[in-house]
Amino acid sequence: QVQLVESGGAVVQPGGSLRLSCAASGFTFSGYGMHWVRQAPGKGLEWVAFIRSDGSNKYYADSVKGRFTISRDNSKNTLYLQMNSLRVEDTAVYYCAKNYGRYFDLWGRGTLVSVSS
Amino acid sequence: EIVMTQSPATLSVSPGERATLSCRASQSVSSNLAWYQQKPGQAPRLLVFGASTRATGIPARFSGSGSGTEFTLTISSLQSEDFAVYYCQQYNNWPPWTFGQGTKVEIK
Repeated sequence: QVQLVESGGAVVQPGGSLRLSCAASGFTFSGYGMHWVRQAPGKGLEWVAFIRSDGSNKYYADSVKGRFTISRDNSKNTLYLQMNSLRVEDTAVYYCAKNYGRYFDLWGRGTLVSVSS
Repeated sequence: EIVMTQSPATLSVSPGERATLSCRASQSVSSNLAWYQQKPGQAPRLLVFGASTRATGIPARFSGSGSGTEFTLTISSLQSEDFAVYYCQQYNNWPPWTFGQGTKVEIK
């Protein structure tokens, strides 16, 4: 079954850290670039980060640059997002998405990150 | 950064009627435009890529058109399962990949 399953969301205080994971199955994970996209409560979609299939290049939204790190372990079919110096405005559902032709053809169900004191 | 603007914000349509959603880019994105559907509590689902190519399994009542800066998603005869929020996204100039703010299609 082709799917992406996110985990690791939690409630965290401002300034804290969190690592999200995205487990891929049903396709050749190592053959595709992967994205993180977030959605604040009641808001639209915001692209967060992208990593190429072999991890050679990474790109970030300006809003998270220097605080978030995207990585992957192709031997474990898993994508990660390390989030440091979290802010209240980082509160959102975080989705991982598979890149295909530069658009996103498969999405996970998301994991909720809530940054609050 | 390319800004994507969708209109209207909300579209009220009766089942069986036609819905027309618009998306405008702040500069040309050629045909590198995708549409996604999102239902409450669910992940987005790819509907259209390349401005007009339906993704696998998407019904023929969904059609996309346009190029450059002006795009349209048409749902020819709305079914109950089509009431959702629809987002356009450009993937011509990246990073960043940018989305419109969404159009909510609600039951009239």
